[in-house]
Amino acid sequence: DIQMTQSPSTLSASVGDRVTITCRASQSISSWLAWYQQKPGKAPKLLIFEASSLQSGVPSRFSGSGSGTEFTLTISSLQPDDFATYYCHQYNSYPGTFGQGTKLEIK
Amino acid sequence: EVHLVESGGGLVKPGGSLRLSCAASGFTFSSYSMNWVRQAPGKGLEWVSSISASSSYIYYADSVKGRFTISRDNAKNSLFLQMNSLRAEDTAVYYCARDSREGGTGWSIDPWGQGTLVTVSS
Repeated sequence: DIQMTQSPSTLSASVGDRVTITCRASQSISSWLAWYQQKPGKAPKLLIFEASSLQSGVPSRFSGSGSGTEFTLTISSLQPDDFATYYCHQYNSYPGTFGQGTKLEIK
Repeated sequence: EVHLVESGGGLVKPGGSLRLSCAASGFTFSSYSMNWVRQAPGKGLEWVSSISASSSYIYYADSVKGRFTISRDNAKNSLFLQMNSLRAEDTAVYYCARDSREGGTGWSIDPWGQGTLVTVSS
């Protein structure tokens, strides 16, 4: 199975900050990577697919980059609504696997 | 608007069985692969199973293979997960979720239902 490793596990930041979350795959997954946002008690929400494509309705302050084994999710200017947990997900091959999550907290 | 509504969760004893259902609306159900993804309390996301639009392709996580069975009824816009020989480690919120793209299997996942809680405990 392909292992997905996210860093950091927790990130403290302030409104207006630019933040970056990294996801590393244990083998190449081309660009078959998605990013999700999850708030407490809610279902995950797709933000980015195919590593860098913004899902419809997602604010443009979210962006994704990378290919192969190294990927990043960047939020250009944090808004209060962005404090949540973020997961990467590889869908290059079954079983699809998720990173362990990055909790974005208010500093 | 796309809606996915899970039902069938609850408390079950170890070794017991449970059948989850997911009612889909707002899209052409028969054109999309569907998935079950679970999340243990306080933990991350774990993919459980996927089924292609016509049920031709079915995949399971090793952790549930041989115990869980995914199925769908396209005439009734419904997805199911039959869970047998349940263990404490199966305790989780189970999400029904659609592939984000029509056709094929193994795309990113969107949207997700609100989830149904399965608790396995004596």
